[in-house]
Amino acid sequence: GENVEQHPSTLSVQEGDSAVIKCTYSDSASNYFPWYKQELGKRPQLIIDIRSNVGEKKDQRIAVTLNKTAKHFSLHITETQPEDSAVYFCAASIWNNDMRFGAGTRLTVKP
Amino acid sequence: DTEVTQTPKHLVMGMTNKKSLKCEQHMGHRAMYWYKQKAKKPPELMFVYSYEKLSINESVPSRFSPECPNSSLLNLHLHALQPEDSALYLCASSQDDWKGNTIYFGEGSWLTVV
Repeated sequence: GENVEQHPSTLSVQEGDSAVIKCTYSDSASNYFPWYKQELGKRPQLIIDIRSNVGEKKDQRIAVTLNKTAKHFSLHITETQPEDSAVYFCAASIWNNDMRFGAGTRLTVKP
Repeated sequence: DTEVTQTPKHLVMGMTNKKSLKCEQHMGHRAMYWYKQKAKKPPELMFVYSYEKLSINESVPSRFSPECPNSSLLNLHLHALQPEDSALYLCASSQDDWKGNTIYFGEGSWLTVV
């Protein structure tokens, strides 16, 4: 089955700096890569996703890049704000019922 | 509207109790999921219902029993749970269980087994 590795496990940045979280996946057939943000005590919320026919996708301060050859994808957050502080999970799947999550990255943005 | 509603938000139950978690969505989604999330861990898939039929059971103990009464509702019946079953239980839904349809999570039910 799919195995997703996520790094780093914790990340601390100054407000206004950029943050990058990286994930690798094992199954070359995976074709859908969502990113979820989970604030303390809340549900995971989808912030951006990318499909395997696209190399990059951007939504305001958030972007995701995908390298299918290397089997890795990354989340980029620019101009970070304190409200970006949360745990971020990457995931990979072929079908929705086999979605596998990375272990998570705790992002802290210091004012 | 991307709303998945779960009740109750918090549940404390003894090891001999029987209780149920409930989930509802009105987005017309045909796939519904139960995930379990322990503290500081990612969500782990438990069950998948596709078009009201159980399509995936990730080797979950029989003390957890899912039920899908109709396409909008999903229940998780709990019986004879153990303290290690204490966790956040997340319901989710998607258009179907095919390729890459966005999965939307409910707020979750915090379960404590005493």
